[in-house]
Amino acid sequence: AQTVTQSQPEMSVQEAETVTLSCTYDTSENNYYLFWYKQPPSRQMILVIRQEAYKQQNATENRFSVNFQKAAKSFSLKISDSQLGDTAMYFCASTLDTNAGKSTFGDGTTLTVKP
Amino acid sequence: EPEVTQTPSHQVTQMGQEVILRCVPISNHLYFYWYRQILGQKVEFLVSFYNNEISEKSEIFDDQFSVERPDGSNFTLKIRSTKLEDSAMYFCASSGGPLPYGYTFGSGTRLTVV
Repeated sequence: AQTVTQSQPEMSVQEAETVTLSCTYDTSENNYYLFWYKQPPSRQMILVIRQEAYKQQNATENRFSVNFQKAAKSFSLKISDSQLGDTAMYFCASTLDTNAGKSTFGDGTTLTVKP
Repeated sequence: EPEVTQTPSHQVTQMGQEVILRCVPISNHLYFYWYRQILGQKVEFLVSFYNNEISEKSEIFDDQFSVERPDGSNFTLKIRSTKLEDSAMYFCASSGGPLPYGYTFGSGTRLTVV
């Protein structure tokens, strides 16, 4: 079974600053994928960034990057130059490398970007 | 950009009634999912669907739930006899390939059972 833990229920950051959201996971599998999703107040979840477990290089998408520590089973999300539109709930998720593609989600972190 | 469309956005139903939640996945996607999110709680997997059959289902997805892809376009979730605890946001998602590239989610249907 997979578990995903987000230990920060709420965080805030000043506009233009950098913030890091934490995520740890547990799985006995070797092949899996990790994701960060953003859920703005409009409530549609949007994929932010994706990391394959077999890749050592950390994924980057514009202002979003991850720090993937496989041995520690840690997958944190760094948001640089935070913008007001980054205010949202952020979910970490893991998916095993199977055809079903079922994802296990963390509890989420509510991020507020302050002007 | 392609979207996953869900209807209705909000549905109120009486306990014991049947509801059908509808989703139109992205047209060239092959893998379809339903998740639910009870208010203030985590997103929970319900079911995955591929090649016109269920690939995996959670323990939540009991006999009162069913899914269908009746016409190659729509992907529906039916709850036969709703209970109060079925009140939640239901999200449909689709994915394009055999490996998990990440989902495209719909905007959700808020189901309220009274």
